[in-house]
Amino acid sequence: GIQVEQSPPDLILQEGANSTLRCNFSDSVNNLQWFHQNPWGQLINLFYIPSGTKQNGRLSATTVATERYSLLYISSSQTTDSGVYFCAVPAQGGSEKLVFGKGTKLTVNP
Amino acid sequence: DSGVTQTPKHLITATGQRVTLRCSPRSGDLSVYWYQQSLDQGLQFLIQYYNGEERAKGNILERFSAQQFPDLHSELNLSSLELGDSALYFCASSYFVAGELFFGEGSRLTVL
Repeated sequence: GIQVEQSPPDLILQEGANSTLRCNFSDSVNNLQWFHQNPWGQLINLFYIPSGTKQNGRLSATTVATERYSLLYISSSQTTDSGVYFCAVPAQGGSEKLVFGKGTKLTVNP
Repeated sequence: DSGVTQTPKHLITATGQRVTLRCSPRSGDLSVYWYQQSLDQGLQFLIQYYNGEERAKGNILERFSAQQFPDLHSELNLSSLELGDSALYFCASSYFVAGELFFGEGSRLTVL
């Protein structure tokens, strides 16, 4: 099945710093989602981004489907950005089943 | 607020027992998904329903079952519970099949 690898596994930043999280996947996909799991366990949608670039405030994401990777950029990080960031792709083709990476744990210190 | 409602938020029970987790999807969404998140396995897809019909199945144990009702809410039944079933169970919904997923807050199950 499709493999999803996220890097780095852990990231510690000072408030105000910028960061880039990476998601590599082993096969062609027709959609990709980024999620943020906050310290209380909630999974929050960030982006639905099968290709191209999207921006939402301080966050932006870029997916290069032909090269099988996606990047999540966080600028001017805040303590509320702490948590685990997951990317997820369909198991195969237009599968409804999403396969999640193991996540990047981000800690933003004040 | 994603619009997906899950109950209960927390549940503590004993081995061998049976529990039911409930999910109401976002208004208008026809697809409901169940995921399990445990420390060692990460986020695992269990099962998906679309408009009342089972659509896709993942690594769901035979002791677990689910259904989606005519009003589109869904229930996940977990029986003969074991310690290893302790996990966070998420429900998600989407409008399109394989569309953008929106997750509920999860039901944290602890089996003692």
